[in-house]
Amino acid sequence: QLQLQQSGPGLVKPSETLSLTCTVSGGSISSSSYYWGWIRQPPGKRLEWIGSIYYSGKTHYNPSLKSRVTISIDTSKNQFSLHLSSVTAADTAVYYCVREVGGVVRPVDHWGQGTPVTVSS
Amino acid sequence: QSVLTQPPSASGTPGQRVTISCSGSTSNIGSNPVNWYQHLPGTAPKLLIHSNNQRPSGVPDRFSGSKSGTSASLAISGLQSEDEADYYCAAWDDSLDVRVFGGGTKLTVL
Repeated sequence: QLQLQQSGPGLVKPSETLSLTCTVSGGSISSSSYYWGWIRQPPGKRLEWIGSIYYSGKTHYNPSLKSRVTISIDTSKNQFSLHLSSVTAADTAVYYCVREVGGVVRPVDHWGQGTPVTVSS
Repeated sequence: QSVLTQPPSASGTPGQRVTISCSGSTSNIGSNPVNWYQHLPGTAPKLLIHSNNQRPSGVPDRFSGSKSGTSASLAISGLQSEDEADYYCAAWDDSLDVRVFGGGTKLTVL
């Protein structure tokens, strides 16, 4: 049974960098069949796709966040991470790590438990 | 920004059939498959339908999806109390080069 376990702080100060890690168990992050990504949901707003990474390190980011986002992968630890720089109150959201099935459709078939992150001084 | 439009709410009584719509454009639904997610409060969202009308293993056949042109629909038949949740549609948008989501529909079982 694949599980995605998220870790990271729930409170980040404005202008600092938000960092979250997702540890994958029950499956290999090095599989060529999947992408690994992040999605967030600000309070009262719709889900927003942040970006994803392939086991090779190839990334694909939401253009609206691209200048501030870095997604990295550590295959030795079966983990991937999100770094979002220069955060503001607008980045307050529940952040989910996800697995996307490779191919044309790329549905998200597994989600982490979600990490509420508040940006506040 | 191009987005997918869903009704904010829907409701039905146990045993009824309800339908949730998702309206998009030629750059998203009109060009790419649609996925649907079920989100129960306090839990991780769950993939309900992928590739317009395909159910992952374990999803009851009470749930079905369809697509026509730039719109898609999720139908739930034999409504049950445990179906009370938020439902989201999603598709890739070729113009924005990003995955886009609908605003979500809160389903209430009366």
